[in-house]
Amino acid sequence: AQTVTQSQPEMSVQEAETVTLSCTYDTSENNYYLFWYKQPPSRQMILVIRQEAYKQQNATENRFSVNFQKAAKSFSLKISDSQLGDTAMYFCAFMKRSSGTYKYIFGTGTRLKVLA
Amino acid sequence: ETGVTQTPRHLVMGMTNKKSLKCEQHLGHNAMYWYKQSAKKPLELMFVYSLEERVENNSVPSRFSPECPNSSHLFLHLHTLQPEDSALYLCASSQEFAGDSTDTQYFGPGTRLTVL
Repeated sequence: AQTVTQSQPEMSVQEAETVTLSCTYDTSENNYYLFWYKQPPSRQMILVIRQEAYKQQNATENRFSVNFQKAAKSFSLKISDSQLGDTAMYFCAFMKRSSGTYKYIFGTGTRLKVLA
Repeated sequence: ETGVTQTPRHLVMGMTNKKSLKCEQHLGHNAMYWYKQSAKKPLELMFVYSLEERVENNSVPSRFSPECPNSSHLFLHLHTLQPEDSALYLCASSQEFAGDSTDTQYFGPGTRLTVL
């Protein structure tokens, strides 16, 4: 069965600094999708970044980038130039849909606090 | 905010009550999902509807009954719940394409359910 592990329950970073959130997963699948979602306090969960497993190039989205290591089954999120608005819970997710089955597995989340 | 709305935002119910949660998506998507988010636990995928047909039911107790009358609306009917069912219930939608691709999910704000 697929599992997603986020080993850092809480992290903090100074404003304008860089922080990396870790995520590891376990799967026997070859093609799948990985996501980082952000859930700000009392607000809706939104997509931060997405990576297709068949793509070797790491996804980037403005200040957000991932380090995707398929062989190591690692998918970390780097936030550069951290801003106060980045304070949120961050969830790593593994998703695979095939032949009508849905394997959508989330990690337990990392609570990130950006300090002024 | 995303184009996924949920009502009510908060619900308190007794174990003998019957209530329903409503989700509406305004994004033209063809797939909708119910998740359960409990404290310190990963998001749990409960149900998936694709083209208004239930395609996934992850061993959810029968006291939870989903309904998808059309591609824009999703309900979760609740009856004889237990206190351990207290959680944040999130609705999400996405656009499914042919084959095994997985598109980004857009989440609603959730319904905070408390079962007394």
